[in-house]
Amino acid sequence: DAGVIQSPRHEVTEMGQEVTLRCKPISGHNSLFWYRQTMMRGLELLIYFNNNVPIDDSGMPEDRFSAKMPNASFSTLKIQPSEPRDSAVYFCASSLGQGVDEQYFGPGTRLTVT
Amino acid sequence: SQKIEQNSEALNIQEGKTATLTCNYTNYSPAYLQWYRQDPGRGPVFLLLIRENEKEKRKERLKVTFDTTLKQSLFHITASQPADSATYLCALGLYNQGGKLIFGQGTELSVKP
Repeated sequence: DAGVIQSPRHEVTEMGQEVTLRCKPISGHNSLFWYRQTMMRGLELLIYFNNNVPIDDSGMPEDRFSAKMPNASFSTLKIQPSEPRDSAVYFCASSLGQGVDEQYFGPGTRLTVT
Repeated sequence: SQKIEQNSEALNIQEGKTATLTCNYTNYSPAYLQWYRQDPGRGPVFLLLIRENEKEKRKERLKVTFDTTLKQSLFHITASQPADSATYLCALGLYNQGGKLIFGQGTELSVKP
């Protein structure tokens, strides 16, 4: 299995632009998680889905952030408009079930907003 | 307030020694706890899971303990090797939260030859 796939791996954009991050979870996994990691705040959960349905988006910083999961094999995280404080590494992870299962992380997308 | 605390400073040890990493939490009642390893530029990788009714779990050179009274988990790497150098993250899993994890800041471990 290829593992969790994220694209792009690196993104540099200017403040005010729209950014879309993509994730393909491991086939057969029912849960998908979006995280953001910075030196200051560590690894923070933004939103997670069970069976393509958003369950908890309390970690989404503000309305500029949105996430979708139109099917079991694809999810997007969109930031519009982007700001310099959004600069971070964004990880997508998936797990088999909806309980204690281990999470498999993708390689991350390093976002820089200038 | 709810907090998860790991050793904030990097841990430096000599090869062959046992590394012990600490994870303390406040105002949480986790159903389980997981430990992950993260190398620079990569995503975290799962290592071990321990549930609230378990005191200890082992996997090869790794051991994790979970004390719900002290609200603490200890993660041990015995016979440490330079290849064990990485950042180690603890993560709490809460009841009925659909697999949601709350991560600590991580502890950076450096094993010197």
